[in-house]
Amino acid sequence: KQEVTQIPAALSVPEGENLVLNCSFTDSAIYNLQWFRQDPGKGLTSLLLIQSSQREQTSGRLNASLDKSSGRSTLYIAASQPGDSATYLCAVVHINDYKLSFGAGTTVTVRA
Amino acid sequence: EAGVAQSPRYKIIEKRQSVAFWCNPISGHATLYWYQQILGQGPKLLIQFQNNGVVDDSQLPKDRFSAERLKGVDSTLKIQPAKLEDSAVYLCASSLVPGLAGQETQYFGPGTRLLVL
Repeated sequence: KQEVTQIPAALSVPEGENLVLNCSFTDSAIYNLQWFRQDPGKGLTSLLLIQSSQREQTSGRLNASLDKSSGRSTLYIAASQPGDSATYLCAVVHINDYKLSFGAGTTVTVRA
Repeated sequence: EAGVAQSPRYKIIEKRQSVAFWCNPISGHATLYWYQQILGQGPKLLIQFQNNGVVDDSQLPKDRFSAERLKGVDSTLKIQPAKLEDSAVYLCASSLVPGLAGQETQYFGPGTRLLVL
């Protein structure tokens, strides 16, 4: 059974600092890995999707890396802003059934 | 493009009562998912539909939860009777084709927040 772990559970940084969010998974037989953002009282918004054959994906200030063999992904957010405050969830898609397994998330607070 | 719609947004009920949630996926999305997200945890898949057929309901507590997608478009998730531990956010998501590159992204609705007292 795939286990997805996100550390830390919560993070508070001053505005302008770079953010580093970690995700680890136990089964490397994945189809892809996705990072989501969840704002309070709202659904999930997909930020980045990395196929299993890729090493990283970038979108604006966001960069996500994937090391499938070691079961790790890292989400970098450059020059954080208060609007980046949210919970960030990592999820892996199994290669056998294409189902998402989520981590519990990292709640980020960016202080102005 | 309209997103995934869910209603109601919030619901408070007493234990042993019944409740129903509604989801309308993105137009043209054949696959529909219901997830349960308990506070402090990631979403857990309850049931997956492909058109109007069930693909996976292995984690659906079938003694109290039921779901249907009769015409292959919108869907209803029901809990009867509700327990305290059912307090959670119920998320609906839809996608085109799971496992097909470029078409597998799941789009999530805003969720229904359920509190069982």
